[in-house]
Amino acid sequence: DAGVIQSPRHEVTEMGQEVTLRCKPISGHDYLFWYRQTMMRGLELLIYFNNNVPIDDSGMPEDRFSAKMPNASFSTLKIQPSEPRDSAVYFCASNGGGRDSPLHFGNGTRLTVT
Amino acid sequence: AQSVTQLDSQVPVFEEAPVELRCNYSSSVSVYLFWYVQYPNQGLQLLLKYLSGSTLVKGINGFEAEFNKSQTSFHLRKPSVHISDTAEYFCAVNLGGYQKVTFGIGTKLQVIP
Repeated sequence: DAGVIQSPRHEVTEMGQEVTLRCKPISGHDYLFWYRQTMMRGLELLIYFNNNVPIDDSGMPEDRFSAKMPNASFSTLKIQPSEPRDSAVYFCASNGGGRDSPLHFGNGTRLTVT
Repeated sequence: AQSVTQLDSQVPVFEEAPVELRCNYSSSVSVYLFWYVQYPNQGLQLLLKYLSGSTLVKGINGFEAEFNKSQTSFHLRKPSVHISDTAEYFCAVNLGGYQKVTFGIGTKLQVIP
């Protein structure tokens, strides 16, 4: 299996621009998670999906952030408009949902907003 | 509510020396505990997990962790570290059957030649 695939690996954009991060989970995994990692706050769960349906988005910072999962093999995290404080590494992870199912992480997207 | 405290942000240790990375959790219900490792420019990978049963859990790369319910701890240990163990280590907890995993802030392990 290719694992969780995220694109792009790096994104540099100017404040005010729209940013779209992409994720392909492991085939057969029913759960998909978006995390944000910063030095100050560590790993924060933004939102997670079960069978393409958003279950908990309480970690999404504000309305500028949105996430979709149109099918079982693709999800996007969008920031519009972006701000410098959004600079972070964004991770996508997936798992099968069982009680002993660990998270499988992608390699992340490093976002820099200037 | 659940939370995870990793007491050390950085741990330097000489090669072939033993190491312990500390983790304490708080939860009022049964928990599942995990340790993940993150190498530079990569995502997190599972090292080991505790669900139930034996309190001593063995993982990959020679790491092990011990679940201590009375002290609410889940410390990670390795008897002899290698240069390749240099990475950041995260303790994580989730409630049984619940998908919301909470991560600690991470501990950077630096192995010195």
